[in-house]
Amino acid sequence: EVQLVESGGRLVQPGGSLRLSCAASGFSLSRYSMNWVRQAPGKGLEWVSYISSSSDTIHSADSVMGRFTISRDNAKNSLYLQMNSLRAEDTAVYYCARMDNYGFDYWGQGTLVTVSS
Amino acid sequence: QSALTQPASVSGSPGQSITISCTGTSSDVERYNLVSWYQQHPGKVPKLMIYEVTKRPSGVSNRFSGSKSGNTASLTISGLQAEDEADYYCCSYAGSYWVFGGGTKVTVL
Repeated sequence: EVQLVESGGRLVQPGGSLRLSCAASGFSLSRYSMNWVRQAPGKGLEWVSYISSSSDTIHSADSVMGRFTISRDNAKNSLYLQMNSLRAEDTAVYYCARMDNYGFDYWGQGTLVTVSS
Repeated sequence: QSALTQPASVSGSPGQSITISCTGTSSDVERYNLVSWYQQHPGKVPKLMIYEVTKRPSGVSNRFSGSKSGNTASLTISGLQAEDEADYYCCSYAGSYWVFGGGTKVTVL
């Protein structure tokens, strides 16, 4: 069974940093591209960042470019999102999502990041 | 990286068919046959319903179908059921990023 489990979300002050993790199981992480997608409270979905299976291609949304960095460790079956210079508007549930055929076919349960003083 | 445009809400009676539109631009929906659709029930995780404009993942009911014309993609739900009441989001690849629609709330009357 495919499982994605995010962790690392918490309350952080504006300007602070946070590292999210996503533990994958039930499939070979090294075969799939992965993404982070976020959802602000009561709002819609927003794609955040993409990383190819071998980490040779990375894309990020303009809204997080230069502040967030996606990475992965296939040996540890893990995906990461390093978030720096956090802003109030980054408050959201962050989902890691597997990509297959350009669709997000499996999602984790999400981890809540709250940016507030 | 502007969001795709979806109607805020669509409603229908049980058994009816409804269609949700998703309008993009020549840089995303029109250029790539890589539109996907997601269903999200309140408090739940999004679920992939359609990928590559028309394809259904294994396990998704054939009451859900996708199409595209120009810069507008559409999701049709036929034989509407109470369990279909949820938020629906379209998403398109746009070359070096992905863009979601704002979401459509489907209400079963």
